[in-house]
Amino acid sequence: QKEVEQDPGPLSVPEGAIVSLNCTYSNSAFQYFMWYRQYSRKGPELLMYTYSSGNKEDGRFTAQVDKSSKYISLFIRDSQPSDSATYLCAFTNAGKSTFGDGTTLTVKP
Amino acid sequence: EAGVAQSPRYKIIEKRQSVAFWCNPISGHATLYWYQQILGQGPKLLIQFQNNGVVDDSQLPKDRFSAERLKGVDSTLKIQPAKLEDSAVYLCASSPPSGANTGELFFGEGSRLTVL
Repeated sequence: QKEVEQDPGPLSVPEGAIVSLNCTYSNSAFQYFMWYRQYSRKGPELLMYTYSSGNKEDGRFTAQVDKSSKYISLFIRDSQPSDSATYLCAFTNAGKSTFGDGTTLTVKP
Repeated sequence: EAGVAQSPRYKIIEKRQSVAFWCNPISGHATLYWYQQILGQGPKLLIQFQNNGVVDDSQLPKDRFSAERLKGVDSTLKIQPAKLEDSAVYLCASSPPSGANTGELFFGEGSRLTVL
C-alpha cells in the first residue's frame, strides 16, 4: 500500500463550479498537510498547509483535514479557468515531504 | 525576491551519456532539495542538503547520480551514465528556516531531461 493515495482524475468542470480534490494517507506520523498547484511545465507552488484536523480557508480555497480517517481535501469555490492545473497533496514528517501523484483539473469557460 | 533558479530548462541526451543540472536557491534558504518528477507522478526526493551537508540521500541512485553543494549556496546534480528511465523533470527546491519542520518548499521551474 502506498503511503499517499490521490484521486487520479482528470477532472473537468464548468467555470463557477465547486471542486473537491482528495487524498488519503496511511502514515500516522505525518504532521503537516500541504496542497501544491502545478501549472504545465512549471514547478509546484504551495497553496496552503495545515497542521490540525478541521478546515482552513484562504480566499476561494478551503483545506480540510480529518486525521481520524486519514483523509484530506481541497475545495475550490467559484472555480476559474486560471485554476486549471495539477494539484498535488503532500504530507510532512520531520521536515520530509511525501507527495501524491496529482489530480489534473480543467475549468472550462 | 528572486525565486529558485534552475538550468538548463531542457536537455536531450543519448543513453549512457552524462548530464548536469544547476540550481541556485532563494537567498537565505539553507535547505536545498533535488526531486525527480516522472510524467504523471508526484515529485520524489533524491537528496536534501542543509547548508553544504547532506541530510538525506537515501533515495539517490548513487551508482549513477551525484550531487554537491560545495559553498552552501548553489548546487549541481549529475547523472552519469544516463538510462532511459531517467527521463523526467528534475526539480530543485529550497526551504526557509521557518519551513524546516513544515516542509514548506519553494520550487524552481525544473529541468526536463529526455534520454533517447
